Amino acid sequence: DVVLTQTPSILSATIGQSVSISCRSSQSLLDSDGNTYLYWFLQRPGQSPQRLIYLVSNLGSGVPNRFSGSGSGTDFTLKISGVEAEDLGVYYCMQATHAPFTFGSGTKLEIK
Amino acid sequence: EVQLVESGGGLVQPGRSLKLSCAASGFTFSNYDMAWVRQAPTKGLEWVASISTGGGNTYYRDSVKGRFTISRDNAKSTLYLQMDSLRSEDTATYYCARQSVYYGLLLRGQGVMVTVSS
Repeated sequence: DVVLTQTPSILSATIGQSVSISCRSSQSLLDSDGNTYLYWFLQRPGQSPQRLIYLVSNLGSGVPNRFSGSGSGTDFTLKISGVEAEDLGVYYCMQATHAPFTFGSGTKLEIK
Repeated sequence: EVQLVESGGGLVQPGRSLKLSCAASGFTFSNYDMAWVRQAPTKGLEWVASISTGGGNTYYRDSVKGRFTISRDNAKSTLYLQMDSLRSEDTATYYCARQSVYYGLLLRGQGVMVTVSS
């Protein structure tokens, strides 16, 4: 199975600070169809995970544009430009290029 | 608005069975592949199984193959997960998800808790 390694595991930020989360894959996530099936989710406390980003860099419906995704191949990054209080929770990357779908171990964002 | 409401969870002894349901609304259920994702207490997310639009193709993670069965009833807009021979490691919150090629997984419910314990 593809292993997704997220760093850091815990991130502490002040309101307004910009932060980045890394997701590294054990295999290239570029599919033979030319797409890269890498997604980002946020799970707020007590809630189900909500998709933020699809196909590496596309913002999901209703997701604020302070979130952005980038990367290719095996290295991907989620950036939050100006953290807000509602952004606290656990962030997960997920790949769907290779079966089975796999998730990263998560990055917990704490607000200082 | 997309809604996915899971039900059927509970406490069950090892080796016993449980069937989860997911009632979908707010979209044309029969047009989408569907999936189950689980999360063990204080742990991360784990894909469990997926099913194609018509139900003819199903996919499972290795650890549940032969024990879990995913199915759907398009007339009722409902997704199911039959879980047999349950083990303690199946203890988790189970989420149902709408699955699409580009947009990935969409989780909208609160999930349902399954506890396998004697």
